This record gives sequence, structure tokens and C-alpha cells, in this order.
Amino acid sequence: GEDVEQSLFLSVREGDSSVINCTYTDSSSTYLYWYKQEPGAGLQLLTYIFSNMDMKQDQRLTVLLNKKDKHLSLRIADTQTGDSAIYFCAEAYSGNTPLVFGKGTRLSVIA
Amino acid sequence: EADIYQTPRYLVIGTGKKITLECSQTMGHDKMYWYQQDPGMELHLIHYSYGVNSTEKGDLSSESTVSRIRTEHFPLTLESARPSHTSQYLCASSDSSSGLQGEQFFGPGTRLTVL
Repeated sequence: GEDVEQSLFLSVREGDSSVINCTYTDSSSTYLYWYKQEPGAGLQLLTYIFSNMDMKQDQRLTVLLNKKDKHLSLRIADTQTGDSAIYFCAEAYSGNTPLVFGKGTRLSVIA
Repeated sequence: EADIYQTPRYLVIGTGKKITLECSQTMGHDKMYWYQQDPGMELHLIHYSYGVNSTEKGDLSSESTVSRIRTEHFPLTLESARPSHTSQYLCASSDSSSGLQGEQFFGPGTRLTVL
């Protein structure tokens, strides 16, 4: 079945770049997502990329997709303390099946 | 304002009690979901619904039940709560007619503690 893997923890200094990595197994995925969960809250969609794209940039966020290796990454430039949260990678390969989420990466930003 | 609501936000209850976690959305979304979230962060899909009178079990076996009598309402019920049910429960919804397939909107969660 589908599986999405992420490293569990990442710690960076304020102002540095953060890179959160994700690997997935389903090559027929059509959309790949990054969700952010702040403490005590539900998840919020942060950004997404279509499977026919290699890169998407949105202000401080850059998403890179390597379809050959089934590898997705999220880069946050100039990381701020407000970026401290859990980041979930998710894939959708069909409109009739639920999203498959990774286990989440806890990003800690040190001032 | 269109949104997704969960009540209660926090619940502490004794073993054996019956509880219902409420979830409502005002966005007219046809799909709704319940997730159980470990303290270690991982999300487990326990139930989902693709429309009124449609419910499916998710990946994680759960002793809970759900109903979808109205589009906007998707309550989750535990007939007899146990300490192993202690967890964060997240409700979400999505719109199958949206161009962004799979985008889900999450409620703030209910943190359940069973003593």
C-alpha cells in the first residue's frame, strides 16, 4: 500500500534555512501536499505541488519534487521562531481515496 | 465565516462512559474525516464519509462509530470509553468539486483523556 516517510525531528537556528524531506511510494500520486500543525491546533495546508511539476516557490517556501526518486522536500528560507511546528507531507493519488499522511516532522527553531 | 468546528475542545471522562465528539462544518463540503493523533504526532484515519448516509472505516481499527445524517455534521461516538482511547481527535472536511484534489480543512481538535 501507499506509504509516506519523513524524518521526525529537525532543529535549526533562526535565520537559517530549513529543509524537511519526505519520500513516498505511490508513483501514481497526482498531488503532493505540505501541511503545518501549530501547537494545540489542527492542520493547515501550507503548500502543494502537482506531480507534473519539479519545483514550486511561494515566498519563503520552496517545494522540490523528484519523481524518479519519489522524493519531496520543503525548504523554508530565513526560518523564524513562528515556523516552529509539525510539518506533514501527504499524497493524493485518487479523488476517491483519502490523503495518505507521513508521520510528521517536528521543526524547532532556536533563537 | 465558513469554518469547521469541534466540541468539546477538551474532555476528561471516566472509564465506561459513553461520549460523542461533535464536528460541524459550514463550507458545504461533501467529504468529512476523523483522525486520531498520537502524542508522538502520527495521524491515523479512523473514519471517513463521502456524503450523507455514507461512512467508511479508515486505516486504524477503532471502537468508535460515526454517522452522517446531515452534510454539515459528522459526530463520533465511543460507547464505552477506555484509557486506551486517550488521544487527540481531529475532524476534517474537503470538497470533491474543488480543483485542488485532496485539500482538507481541519478543525482545532478534541483532546480526550479517559481515566
